[in-house]
Amino acid sequence: EAQVTQNPRYLITVTGKKLTVTCSQNMNHEYMSWYRQDPGLGLRQIYYSMNVEVTDKGDVPEGYKVSRKEKRNFPLILESPSPNQTSLYFCASSLRPPLYNEQFFGPGTRLTVL
Amino acid sequence: KQEVTQIPAALSVPEGENLVLNCSFTDSAIYNLQWFRQDPGKGLTSLLLIQSSQREQTSGRLNASLDKSSGRSTLYIAASQPGDSATYLCAVLSYNTDKLIFGTGTRLQVFP
Repeated sequence: EAQVTQNPRYLITVTGKKLTVTCSQNMNHEYMSWYRQDPGLGLRQIYYSMNVEVTDKGDVPEGYKVSRKEKRNFPLILESPSPNQTSLYFCASSLRPPLYNEQFFGPGTRLTVL
Repeated sequence: KQEVTQIPAALSVPEGENLVLNCSFTDSAIYNLQWFRQDPGKGLTSLLLIQSSQREQTSGRLNASLDKSSGRSTLYIAASQPGDSATYLCAVLSYNTDKLIFGTGTRLQVFP
């Protein structure tokens, strides 16, 4: 089944404890991105990747890191999480950049930082 | 800076009604507009993608229109069903960017 998977789905952690949220797609998509969703603010892009070893900042990149060492994986890293990073996070992918292609989303990761 | 607005924020209708969800955007220089559905606790599912050169797209009971010059799109749902209850999001891809800009969504409830 073609899909985008994220792990973990739910995570509660404490301020300053490094964490990684994994994202994997099995559709051979070139383009991947991370969003966060907050009430009243909608979805905002954190980082995106046009292809392997190519990443760039989205609208809200502060406090996050990403890497794209393989085509299928695009992990999101929070080196020192803070409570304002409590949010619902989505990974997405598309065959090419969104110009002509639908984005496929993962099921989301709900992160709480205490 | 592109801004996307969706009205209403919430809508409750009886089963069987035809309904229209609205999406407006401030900058008409877009490549495409996409409608998504989000169920509680789940990810987004793409419903329809309209390229800037297109006026509308249809999929089953869903019809999305795009008026780029006025900065508007509508999602028409025919003969609504309880299973249509979800949050509907629109997103635009503006010129000179690889980022989708999302609206805050319309929460739809269809009751039997």
